[in-house]
Amino acid sequence: DAGVIQSPRHEVTEMGQEVTLRCKLISGHNSLFWYRQTMMRGLELLIYFNNNVPIDDSGMPEDRFSAKMPNASFSTLKIQPSEPRDSAVYFCASSFAGTGGGYTFGSGTRLTVV
Amino acid sequence: GIQVEQSPPDLILQEGANSTLRCNFSDSVNNLQWFHQNPWGQLINLFYIPSGTKQNGRLSATTVATERYSLLYISSSQTTDSGVYFCAVNAGNMLTFGGGTRLMVKP
Repeated sequence: DAGVIQSPRHEVTEMGQEVTLRCKLISGHNSLFWYRQTMMRGLELLIYFNNNVPIDDSGMPEDRFSAKMPNASFSTLKIQPSEPRDSAVYFCASSFAGTGGGYTFGSGTRLTVV
Repeated sequence: GIQVEQSPPDLILQEGANSTLRCNFSDSVNNLQWFHQNPWGQLINLFYIPSGTKQNGRLSATTVATERYSLLYISSSQTTDSGVYFCAVNAGNMLTFGGGTRLMVKP
């Protein structure tokens, strides 16, 4: 199993540009989580999906952020337009809900908005 | 929501020393995990331990769910153990992280 795969690993973009982060779940997992990590706020849950349906997006900071899960194995997190304060490491994690099983995290995308 | 507190926030050890990291949580949980974030930023799952005790090499963990705490033991620490250790709990289907313990192991 290749684990949770995120791309790109690093992204540097100019303020105002659109940014799309990608995540591929572990095969067989049905829950998908997007987290953001900053020095000031630590690890924050942005949104999570269960069986492709968004369950809780209360952590999404603003309307500039949107997330989709077009199929059972893939998700995107989009920021449009991006701002310097969006600079952070964005993690994706997956799990199999219903068994209380553990979460597996991807390697993260380090986003820098200049 | 559920509160997760970790202690100590920072820890410096000499190589070979043992240590205990603590995680307290404010409510009943379905799941508790310990993660190690290495200097490259990767979050590595160490233990999935909603209750009981588990061991993996030099690391072991104990969760006492009724008293709402978990402990991570590191024995014979090595420089490669450096990084941040996170406790995370799940009271529904959302994993909430503590603030982490930043560990530095000196040679």
